Amino acid sequence: QVQLQESGPGLVKPSETLSLTCTVSGGSLNPFYWSWIRQSPGRGLEWMAYLYYSGSTYYNPSLESRLTISIDPSRTQFSLKLTSVTAADTAIYYCTRGVGGRYHIDAFDIWGQGTTVTVSS
Amino acid sequence: DIQMTQSPSSLSASVGDRVTITCRASQSISSYLNWYQQKPGKAPKLLIYGASTLQSGVPSRFSGSGSGTDFTLTISSLQPEDFATYYCQQSYSPLLLTFGPGTTVDIK
Repeated sequence: QVQLQESGPGLVKPSETLSLTCTVSGGSLNPFYWSWIRQSPGRGLEWMAYLYYSGSTYYNPSLESRLTISIDPSRTQFSLKLTSVTAADTAIYYCTRGVGGRYHIDAFDIWGQGTTVTVSS
Repeated sequence: DIQMTQSPSSLSASVGDRVTITCRASQSISSYLNWYQQKPGKAPKLLIYGASTLQSGVPSRFSGSGSGTDFTLTISSLQPEDFATYYCQQSYSPLLLTFGPGTTVDIK
C-alpha cells in the first residue's frame, strides 16, 4: 500500500531554512494532491500547502511568503522549504496525500509518520 | 478564514458508551467536513469524509452527520482502541484548509 516518509534535519537554527522531503512508496503521484501539515501545541494542526500532481501549488496565506513546495515525479518525492524560521515553527511536520477532484481537494487520506523539527540555536 | 470549533474539548467515557462529538464551522461549509482520529505519538487517521462517508477500513461504529455549519461524529459503542483525540477539518475553502482544535476521549 501507499506509504509516505518524511526526511530532513530535526534541528534548524533561527533565521535559517527548513527543508523537508517526503518519499512516496507503493503508489503513483497521480492523480493526487500532496500536502504538508504541521502540528504544535500552540497552533494545533495547521495546513501549510499542497500541490496537485501536475504541479499546481496552493499555499496557506499565513506562510506563503516563506514557503515553497515542489514535486519530483522521477523520484516520487515532494519537498518543502520554509525560510526565516523562528521558534514558532517548531512542530511535528507531516506529509500527506490528498484526494478529491481535479479542482478541489477533499480530504487527507494517507499521512506520513511525522518528523519533529525544533528551531533553536 | 473559516474557523472550526469542537465541543467538548475533552470527555471521559467507558467502554460500550455512545459518544458524540460536535464540530461547528464559522460559516456554511455544505458537507465539506472530515473527521480524523489521532492516537498519542501517531499521525492523524482519516475516519470520515464528506461529513458522513466512512473511509475504507473504518469500523461501522463510527458515523458522521450534519451539513452547513453543524456536524457530529458518533461512536456507537466505544471500544478500548477508540480512546484518542478527534479532529474535524473543513475542505470547503480549498485555499485555506482548517482544522478544529480537537476533542480528547479518555477512559472514565
